Amino acid sequence: DQQVKQNSPSLSVQEGRISILNCDYTNSMFDYFLWYKKYPAEGPTFLISISSIKDKNEDGRFTVFLNKSAKHLSLHIVPSQPGDSAVYFCAASAMSGGYQKVTFGIGTKLQVIP
Amino acid sequence: DSGVTQTPKHLITATGQRVTLRCSPRSGDLSVYWYQQSLDQGLQFLIHYYNGEERAKGNILERFSAQQFPDLHSELNLSSLELGDSALYFCASSGGGTTTPEAFFGQGTRLTVV
Repeated sequence: DQQVKQNSPSLSVQEGRISILNCDYTNSMFDYFLWYKKYPAEGPTFLISISSIKDKNEDGRFTVFLNKSAKHLSLHIVPSQPGDSAVYFCAASAMSGGYQKVTFGIGTKLQVIP
Repeated sequence: DSGVTQTPKHLITATGQRVTLRCSPRSGDLSVYWYQQSLDQGLQFLIHYYNGEERAKGNILERFSAQQFPDLHSELNLSSLELGDSALYFCASSGGGTTTPEAFFGQGTRLTVV
């Protein structure tokens, strides 16, 4: 059962335009959501997060939106740059048995075309 | 530098052999996660340890096992290796308790089974 779903395996965007990466989840116990970025042959790196008590968090060109009623979050990158080309993983966390359990989606490959 | 160290970086071995991958988490992190990433695929969760105890199992084969030691480092043991086990294996660590659940990834171990 995939609790965190990234239904788009890939996305191509022109440089300077907006990139929107989507993520859906099924577990209503998730209370913290994260996005990671991964370049080839490197480990994923943390990008931005949002708590379930918020509906938006912004960090420079990156904004994450959370719609709890729809169990949906999205990552907006504006403006997109060629260096943003990477695989983006959505992740969600819930407390379970006294510790935080993090569940990852399978990733969306973003290509920003110069 | 994420603070998570994985060794070795590369490993080439023959089918049927057994290997051990090692992970040192960030200082103070109690949770260690292991993930497998095959060619152009997402992160497949294998197993999660918290403070020495197994907490969750994902798509981990019976030929694979892991443990977390009292000093919190972790090892992933892969035995009776098959060609299909060739992949990148990532370790990640997080605080695991009441801290925010950002997980920090190592650079990965690239395993090639020939």
